[in-house]
Amino acid sequence: NAGVTQTPKFQVLKTGQSMTLQCAQDMNHNSMYWYRQDPGMGLRLIYYSASEGTTDKGEVPNGYNVSRLNKREFSLRLESAAPSQTSVYFCASSDRAGGPYEQFFGPGTRLTVL
Amino acid sequence: AQSVTQPDIHITVSEGASLELRCNYSYGATPYLFWYVQSPGQGLQLLLKYFSGDTLVQGIKGFEAEFKRSQSSFNLRKPSVHWSDAAEYFCAVGAFAGKSTFGDGTTLTVKP
Repeated sequence: NAGVTQTPKFQVLKTGQSMTLQCAQDMNHNSMYWYRQDPGMGLRLIYYSASEGTTDKGEVPNGYNVSRLNKREFSLRLESAAPSQTSVYFCASSDRAGGPYEQFFGPGTRLTVL
Repeated sequence: AQSVTQPDIHITVSEGASLELRCNYSYGATPYLFWYVQSPGQGLQLLLKYFSGDTLVQGIKGFEAEFKRSQSSFNLRKPSVHWSDAAEYFCAVGAFAGKSTFGDGTTLTVKP
């Protein structure tokens, strides 16, 4: 039982390049989330998926897209990376759709955009 | 709109001393409250949660938190801090569809 896994762990991009961050969970959770963490700003929700087949914008969605590939996988795509997207990205999941339940976090992806 | 305030950005305590981390929330209904811990280079791990019932909740690693509705607070406590407790701590309020709101975090330093 690996919980929530994220790939890659580290990534360096040049401005304008694109990339996809991968996230998978093996806990059969319905809901999945993408956050970014910047110093002094806590965690900010980028997108979330309350259940398979649905996605919704969070607090800071601009410059990102997501795909809920199946119940296990939820990917985050940067189409044209910008230095402002330098951050640590966390994927999380929780076990009920539509419920305020605890979230389980992956180890994070540290992204630098030059 | 819901919000969470952690008034202390950084706290330093001596090993063996007691700890209290403050959390104030704003939410229109009965809140679902969480404390998470993040060790350096790691993801967040749940310490404890409050949904309803007893206002004093126990968590892992010897932590506890008390929900006080009148003060809109959910402060985290530990009687005796260990060096391994040095980390960043996040308070969060949960809502439907998973749109939890996190505080900005409190960094705990433990002096030997």
